[in-house]
Amino acid sequence: GAVVSQHPSRVICKSGTSVKIECRSLDFQATTMFWYRQFPKKSLMLMATSNEGSKATYEQGVEKDKFLINHASLTLSTLTVTSAHPEDSSFYICSARPTGGDQPQHFGDGTRLSIL
Amino acid sequence: AQSVTQLGSHVSVSEGALVLLRCNYSSSVPPYLFWYVQYPNQGLQLLLKYTTGATLVKGINGFEAEFKKSETSFHLTKPSAHMSDAAEYFCAAEMKTSYDKVIFGPGTSLSVIP
Repeated sequence: GAVVSQHPSRVICKSGTSVKIECRSLDFQATTMFWYRQFPKKSLMLMATSNEGSKATYEQGVEKDKFLINHASLTLSTLTVTSAHPEDSSFYICSARPTGGDQPQHFGDGTRLSIL
Repeated sequence: AQSVTQLGSHVSVSEGALVLLRCNYSSSVPPYLFWYVQYPNQGLQLLLKYTTGATLVKGINGFEAEFKKSETSFHLTKPSAHMSDAAEYFCAAEMKTSYDKVIFGPGTSLSVIP
């Protein structure tokens, strides 16, 4: 089945550092990938839609300069949290939609980001 | 506005009892509908989906859901709850916009009492 790999699964870092999270589709190509954020005991909120070869589309209220998204190939999208602060601590989940056909998004296992 | 609602943030059932988790959507065009399960500190696992065709959809682990357009609902059921079913369940709708956004409901935490 379609597999989405997300790395790292957990990261702890100091305030002010930048953190990069990778989302890879392992056995399919994905023109479109999505980045979600999940607060404790809350639902998933779509942050941005990542389109291969073009700029990401951010949802209202999401800071583009804080959350940098790059979708350089059909199998890889990255989310970089720049100058992270404690309020950025959260569970970040990516998903990828197989190119072509009528298939749902496939989700990664998520990244637990903790900023000290 | 497009939205997904789940009645009941927390549901408790006895082991072996019927599981019913409710989901309603708001959209002018019927969306694709999904149920996902999330175990603690893990990602999402797709239980089942409805796109077109048969309105009663069967998924993994004995779950099924029925799409009712007249009620704008997509409730999730399982005839007999198992302890391993305890988890967070999210209903989601893929809206037919240019970006095919998926909107998630707030989630329902299912507890199974032995």
